[in-house]
Amino acid sequence: AQKVTQAQTEISVVEKEDVTLDCVYETRDTTYYLFWYKQPPSGELVFLIRRNSFDEQNEISGRYSWNFQKSTSSFNFTITASQVVDSAVYFCALKDNQGGKLIFGQGTELSVKP
Amino acid sequence: DGGITQSPKYLFRKEGQNVTLSCEQNLNHDAMYWYRQDPGQGLRLIYYSQIVNDFQKGDIAEGYSVSREKKESFPLTVTSAQKNPTAFYLCASSRTGLPKTQYFGPGTRLLVL
Repeated sequence: AQKVTQAQTEISVVEKEDVTLDCVYETRDTTYYLFWYKQPPSGELVFLIRRNSFDEQNEISGRYSWNFQKSTSSFNFTITASQVVDSAVYFCALKDNQGGKLIFGQGTELSVKP
Repeated sequence: DGGITQSPKYLFRKEGQNVTLSCEQNLNHDAMYWYRQDPGQGLRLIYYSQIVNDFQKGDIAEGYSVSREKKESFPLTVTSAQKNPTAFYLCASSRTGLPKTQYFGPGTRLLVL
């Protein structure tokens, strides 16, 4: 079965703390794509990053970094020196190769307090 | 500016009424999708379309219908058969080639009176 699990429902941190959002996935495909999206209070999903299964290099973009490990089927997302504007719900998603739909995790609500 | 627009932002439905949610994109994407989001949950796929005049059911298509007469437009109708329509509806689009990153519109919140 194809599945994405985000075990952390809510996380609360104080500004400038580092925070890691966990994502574990299950797939029968040998080639696949993983995504992270941010959903601020306005509701729109904002695309953050895409990774494919044959590239396990970690990625850093400013204060954001992603750790992809096929051995543990995990694609974790770290925000360094968090800011209040990072407060949002974050979704991890797996692309289903049959038809192209995204399979979403339940989301992690991050609250960054000043 | 290229992007996806959804209207209205809020929609109220009465019992037995069909309502239509609009989704338009000017990204020149071939594929379009409709997702439903319930509070505290992830998104679930309702319908998707890879090309004009063709669409497929997603995981929760019952009580919904779509059309794809133009590349830019993919309206979703919530019919009276959908007994629990209160949710946040998100439209997305993507290219058809890999990796098919989906880009989302601002969403429509549907409430039942």
